[in-house]
Amino acid sequence: ETGVTQTPRHLVMGMTNKKSLKCEQHLGHNAMYWYKQSAKKPLELMFVYNFKEQTENNSVPSRFSPECPNSSHLFLHLHTLQPEDSALYLCASSQAGTENSPLHFGNGTRLTVT
Amino acid sequence: GESVGLHLPTLSVQEGDNSIINCAYSNSASDYFIWYKQESGKGPQFIIDIRSNMDKRQGQRVTVLLNKTVKHLSLQIAATQPGDSAVYFCADPQGRNNNDMRFGAGTRLTVKP
Repeated sequence: ETGVTQTPRHLVMGMTNKKSLKCEQHLGHNAMYWYKQSAKKPLELMFVYNFKEQTENNSVPSRFSPECPNSSHLFLHLHTLQPEDSALYLCASSQAGTENSPLHFGNGTRLTVT
Repeated sequence: GESVGLHLPTLSVQEGDNSIINCAYSNSASDYFIWYKQESGKGPQFIIDIRSNMDKRQGQRVTVLLNKTVKHLSLQIAATQPGDSAVYFCADPQGRNNNDMRFGAGTRLTVKP
């Protein structure tokens, strides 16, 4: 059991579908992140939220839309994705403002776009 | 761009032997490094970290060594067990608030019985 819970664990969607990934952290952290993990590539940072405010957006296409309603919950809304968006999407949290605070990851959502 | 990189994508060791996984970084201003372990079907898990004012830190069966002169760090696993089979990543935080955690591509460790 990790302190970061992601749902669903697996998702298959067509290119015209709209779906959302959900992340919840139970660690009392104030920063949350979305990462994309593709085969044979390093983890790619997508979005960062500090204190519910988005502070990083690493040139992610607009078909990915994050939402952070509070410091414990993070969503990734998906719309008109492409097959190359198939990957493992990982959520993480940390305590921003604390020196040397490592990320704590969830187990990810395995997304397949058909 | 990527600020950390691992030397070998795969490593195979015999159960009971010691394992050494290497990582190089490019940002000489980096002052904090983390090793993560990712097992199949799971997210990365924190193993051990080290600050740049140290050159060695030990945990349970794991040791991280930091050589700032050549910008290199390594993870040593003593008496490697089958449960150590996983992908190992080094990472260092960059950017504003140290929120931009950069990861290497990972080394897949396989432990042979």
